[in-house]
Amino acid sequence: QVTLKESGPGMLQPSKTLSLTCSFSGFSLSTSGMVVSWIRQPSGKSLEWLAAIDWDGDKYYNPSLKSRLTVSKDTSNTQVFLKITSVDIADTATYYCARRHPIFNYGSSYVMDAWGQGASVTVSS
Amino acid sequence: DIQMTQSPASLSASLGETVTIECLASEDIYSNLAWYQQKPGKSPQLLIYYANSLNDGVPSRFSGSGSGTQYSLKINSLQSEDVSIYFCQQNYDSPNTFGAGTKLELK
Repeated sequence: QVTLKESGPGMLQPSKTLSLTCSFSGFSLSTSGMVVSWIRQPSGKSLEWLAAIDWDGDKYYNPSLKSRLTVSKDTSNTQVFLKITSVDIADTATYYCARRHPIFNYGSSYVMDAWGQGASVTVSS
Repeated sequence: DIQMTQSPASLSASLGETVTIECLASEDIYSNLAWYQQKPGKSPQLLIYYANSLNDGVPSRFSGSGSGTQYSLKINSLQSEDVSIYFCQQNYDSPNTFGAGTKLELK
């Protein structure tokens, strides 16, 4: 069974760095073609794909946020991390990590077939 | 970025009815279109990919169609558990982008 779970600080102040962790099981990020993405959703709004990391450690970012994002993974390939620098109120959202559907084992197609429950993040002074 | 325009923004339908949700891409996405269902307070769940391929475990009353820039999601025989927000996503170009969502409610 594939499961993912996000964890984060809950609340942080503007200008700080947001650090999120995605812990997953039921699949291996070392499998060729496997990708874990980060997506966020402000309350009552749509989804925004942020970043992804693949089995080979290659990283992909949404150009609109690229300068502020860093995605990484641990050496055991059971956790993926996301850092967002210089947060402001507009970064308030639920942050999801998700696995790319294995059928999409190429290119920049990020169709997600398994999602975490989401981590709510509020940026406030 | 490719813009995805969903319509309607919301709709109300009765149990057993058939509903259709549309998604229009700002350029040809060559059937690289996925649909997600998000129930209240839950994370999105993949329904359809490649415009018309049903994901594992998704009821057959859901179907997708379309090509080029125009796509649709059809739900036959609406059930109470289908009350959700539905999002389309293009996965043709990076960054992959989502529609604004369609909120489906029961009449």
